Amino acid sequence: QLKESGPGLVRPSETLSLTCSVSGDSISSIHHYWGWVRQLPGKGLQWLGTSYFNRNTYYNPSLSGRVTVSVDTSMNQLSLSLSSVTAADTGVYYCARRRNSAYDFDYWGQGALVTVSS
Amino acid sequence: EILLTQSPVSLSLSPGERATLSCRTSETIGNGYLAWYQQKPGQAPRLLIYGASSRAADIPDRFSGSGSGTDFTLTISRLETEDFAIYYCQCYGRSTYTFGQGTKLEIK
Repeated sequence: QLKESGPGLVRPSETLSLTCSVSGDSISSIHHYWGWVRQLPGKGLQWLGTSYFNRNTYYNPSLSGRVTVSVDTSMNQLSLSLSSVTAADTGVYYCARRRNSAYDFDYWGQGALVTVSS
Repeated sequence: EILLTQSPVSLSLSPGERATLSCRTSETIGNGYLAWYQQKPGQAPRLLIYGASSRAADIPDRFSGSGSGTDFTLTISRLETEDFAIYYCQCYGRSTYTFGQGTKLEIK
């Protein structure tokens, strides 16, 4: 099970920070990657970044280096930081699991709504 | 970035009918790199098909995926009321994951 948590409201120009708590699985598993996907209002899905237990991390280049994804193996958690946010970053943020043997996301969290507003 | 184009944007069908959804990629991808998801309002996406044609765990066999190269298809053989939702395709390429814009499947 994956569960996102964090502030639901972030001010423009600040950093959005979310945590994904993983239960029933180990974030240190060699069989899985862990990532973040967001859904902007009325729009489709956008991949943000993915991390492996060894901290190899991959990011969506369209986000111009604003994204940081990291794993905390001691807490069995995945985190997301998105800097310099604007209203365009308002949306639902999902954490998701990817199997090492595949290129899709087979388990998703329920999502966390984040609003960027002053 | 590989672009995905889904068609149609929306589709109105009746329960019991067959649904055919298309996903076209801007360049050739390997079959292992194409997936389909279902999303209902207020819910996270649910993986239906991976590797272009393999059903994910617990997915009914009325869902099937096919295609290769740049053209992929999701088929729902006999629609049930719970199948009316938005469907997304997703591919992996050039170290990034890209989603299509979705097809909304509506009850006629």
